[in-house]
Amino acid sequence: DVVITQSPLSLPVTLGQPASISCRSSQGLVYSDGNTYLNWFQQRPGQSPRRLIYKVSNRDSGVPDRFSGSGSGTDFTLKISRVEAEDVGVYYCMQGTHWPPITFGQGTRLEIK
Amino acid sequence: EVQLLESGGGLVQPGGSLRLSCAASGFTFSTYAMSWVRQAPGKGLEWVSTITFNSDRTYYADSVKGRFTISRDNSESTLFLEMNSLRAEDTAVYYCAKGVTTIRLGFDSWGQGTLVTVSS
Repeated sequence: DVVITQSPLSLPVTLGQPASISCRSSQGLVYSDGNTYLNWFQQRPGQSPRRLIYKVSNRDSGVPDRFSGSGSGTDFTLKISRVEAEDVGVYYCMQGTHWPPITFGQGTRLEIK
Repeated sequence: EVQLLESGGGLVQPGGSLRLSCAASGFTFSTYAMSWVRQAPGKGLEWVSTITFNSDRTYYADSVKGRFTISRDNSESTLFLEMNSLRAEDTAVYYCAKGVTTIRLGFDSWGQGTLVTVSS
């Protein structure tokens, strides 16, 4: 199975400052159709997860443009240009290229410093 | 608006069984793959199982294969998870999740979750 490793696992950030989360895969994530199925999810405290970004860099409807995704191959990044209070929570990357199974990273907990 | 409402969770003894349900509304249920994803207390997300839109294929995580069975009733827009031979490590919040055009894109809607606790 593909192993997804996120870093850091804990990310204290000052309000208004940028944040960056890394996601590394044990195998390349380019699928035979040419797409890279690396997705990002946010889970706010006490809430269900929601998808933020799909196929590396495509924001879901309603996701603020301060969130951006990038990367290729085995290395991917989620960036928040200016952290706001509502961004507190745990962020997960997920690969769908080599499914089944779908695999998630361990999660990165973002908190306000 | 898409709504997914799970039910059926609770406390069960090791070795016992439980059946979870997920009532869906706000979209054409019969045209989307559906999945279960779980989250142990204080832990991360773990994919459990997926069923195709017409039930012709089902997929399971190795950790539940042979013990859990996913199914759906498209006439009732309901997803199920039959859990047998439950273990302490199955204790988790179980989320029902809606697929997109392909399951490789993950899940664009999630339920609020139902807690399953396996303990004597």
